[in-house]
Amino acid sequence: SQQGEEDPQALSIQEGENATMNCSYKTSINNLQWYRQNSGRGLVHLILIRSNEREKHSGRLRVTLDTSKKSSSLLITASRAADTASYFCATDGGYSTLTFGKGTMLLVSP
Amino acid sequence: IAGITQAPTSQILAAGRRMTLRCTQDMRHNAMYWYRQDLGLGLRLIHYSNTAGTTGKGEVPDGYSVSRANTDDFPLTLASAVPSQTSVYFCAKLSTGASGELFFGEGSRLTVL
Repeated sequence: SQQGEEDPQALSIQEGENATMNCSYKTSINNLQWYRQNSGRGLVHLILIRSNEREKHSGRLRVTLDTSKKSSSLLITASRAADTASYFCATDGGYSTLTFGKGTMLLVSP
Repeated sequence: IAGITQAPTSQILAAGRRMTLRCTQDMRHNAMYWYRQDLGLGLRLIHYSNTAGTTGKGEVPDGYSVSRANTDDFPLTLASAVPSQTSVYFCAKLSTGASGELFFGEGSRLTVL
């Protein structure tokens, strides 16, 4: 069963606005990762945050992790049309595997 | 560059037929994975292999088998395809080092009629 669950399922915004996606998970983790998937393509790794970290930045991406609430958020600032994609959180599922959520579909309109 | 190649890109298959999806990497990473992606269900792990000669079952292994005869190749076989195996299949490998990042192939879209 899915460990991570993203929210919202779909998000539609205008270029220049910020996009926030949330991920909740069920059991303790060592790290949490976010991936992006353009339509018809494979997933691409965006950022990893470890369980002892609370916030991490990478370019226009900001990820937070609250282990007490078992939740993470991905913020994309100043969004662009090219950010249109599906975004997935993934948690370590044991035996070097990753368990993915169902994803958030982000649409950024020009 | 992910360095992971899947074939075929797309395939239509009659139910009951045998099908092997190929996955090859070029950087000799140890751990490899097969996921299926279905609308509304996200990605689910089918099988994985942490090193050549070993494999393990994921969340949805029934109807699928894998082999890992060498480090570079990790084929996924459907012995007798059924319509519920219509899906997009992704092969992935685990990066070396501490990043824990997965590199994905571009996927194989399989339709079972």
